[in-house]
Parts: sequence; C-alpha cells; structure tokens
Amino acid sequence: GESVGLHLPTLSVQEGDNSIINCAYSNSASDYFIWYKQESGKGPQFIIDIRSNMDKRQGQRVTVLLNKTVKHLSLQIAATQPGDSAVYFCAEGISGAGSYQLTFGKGTKLSVIP
Amino acid sequence: NAGVTQTPKFRVLKTGQSMTLLCAQDMNHEYMYWYRQDPGMGLRLIHYSVGEGTTAKGEVPDGYNVSRLKKQNFLLGLESAAPSQTSVYFCASRNRGYTEAFFGQGTRLTVV
Repeated sequence: GESVGLHLPTLSVQEGDNSIINCAYSNSASDYFIWYKQESGKGPQFIIDIRSNMDKRQGQRVTVLLNKTVKHLSLQIAATQPGDSAVYFCAEGISGAGSYQLTFGKGTKLSVIP
Repeated sequence: NAGVTQTPKFRVLKTGQSMTLLCAQDMNHEYMYWYRQDPGMGLRLIHYSVGEGTTAKGEVPDGYNVSRLKKQNFLLGLESAAPSQTSVYFCASRNRGYTEAFFGQGTRLTVV
C-alpha cells in the first residue's frame, strides 16, 4: 500500500550547522503533512505542518518544504542545537469528511555533535 | 494542563493474559488514536475514534479491541496477549479541523 518513507535513517550534524531531513510520500491524495519530533522515552511532539496548497512554511528555526511534483517533503533546522537531537517523523493526512487517519514514516534519527 | 495521559507507563504480561491500557485527554478533542511503535517501523495505527461511542480499525487492529464510552477516555484492550504485541503504545488526540495531534508519553508493554 501507499506509505510515507524517508531517504536517510540517521543524520549526524555539527552543532551550529543546518540540518535537512527528507521524506518521500506516495499518496497523491494527501493534502497535509506534519513533522514530529520524538525525544528518547517521550511521545512525538508536533513541530510544524504544511498544506498541499503551499510549498514552503517557516516556524521558529524550522522550515518545511513541499515538492508535490516529486512527492518530497523536507524539514530544515537552522543552527542545530544539542536539544534538537531526536527522531523526526514525517506524517501525511487527508482532510475532509471521512478522513481521520495520519500515516507516519519510519523516522530519521538526528544526532547533534557538540 | 495534563494533555494526554496514559496508564500504565510500563507493564509485563505473560502470554495469554489480558489487560487494558487507558488514555485520558482533557482538551475536549473529538478524535483519539492508538498507535504502536516498533523499532524501524515508525508509528502504526491500531484503532481510532472520531467521537464518543464510535471506533474504527486502523492499519494493525488484530488482537486489540477499543472502547470510547466517554469523550475524554479511549481504552485499548488486549484479550490474549502474544509476544508479537511487545511494543510501545501511544495514544493521541486531535481536535476536529486541526492537524496537530497531541501524544501521550507512551506505555511500554512486554509480553513474555
């Protein structure tokens, strides 16, 4: 079946550098996408979302880019800090009546080197 | 605010035993979800509920049952636990019309 996947399972970044985490999706019906951060021993925490009618959205130190042509999603973290070390998941969903499920990718582990 | 609270946090079961995981949310959310998380598998949806008294199957529902008798609570039951159900279970809730889902801290279940 269709699913959300990731290009890289692990990513090591020097503190202060920018991080880019990638995600490929295959369900063309998905109209919103979310990035979650999961620290060790905790539940996933919402970072940022983007609707399919947008190609870029910025938050605090984070930017999500959406390329619908190639079904690709990325999360950019500026000036990566040790507290950013976690597993990052992308997820896709379909809004509207009758659509309630969110499908998660397998995750990318980000390690920040001090 | 407590948000989403899961009990228990840890549990060890013997094969064949039954148990119920409780999820409680205090945000008046309509939608609630149960996921399991296994290494290298991400989060997989077990069951979900779009309102009090309604439940539906997700991606991996076999071996589990759920109930949503009250809007704030979503129960996940294992009728006869199997080692394959060893996992970390997460509950989440979401408000209608919003994309953000709030997760609990998880329940680590080991079936021996």
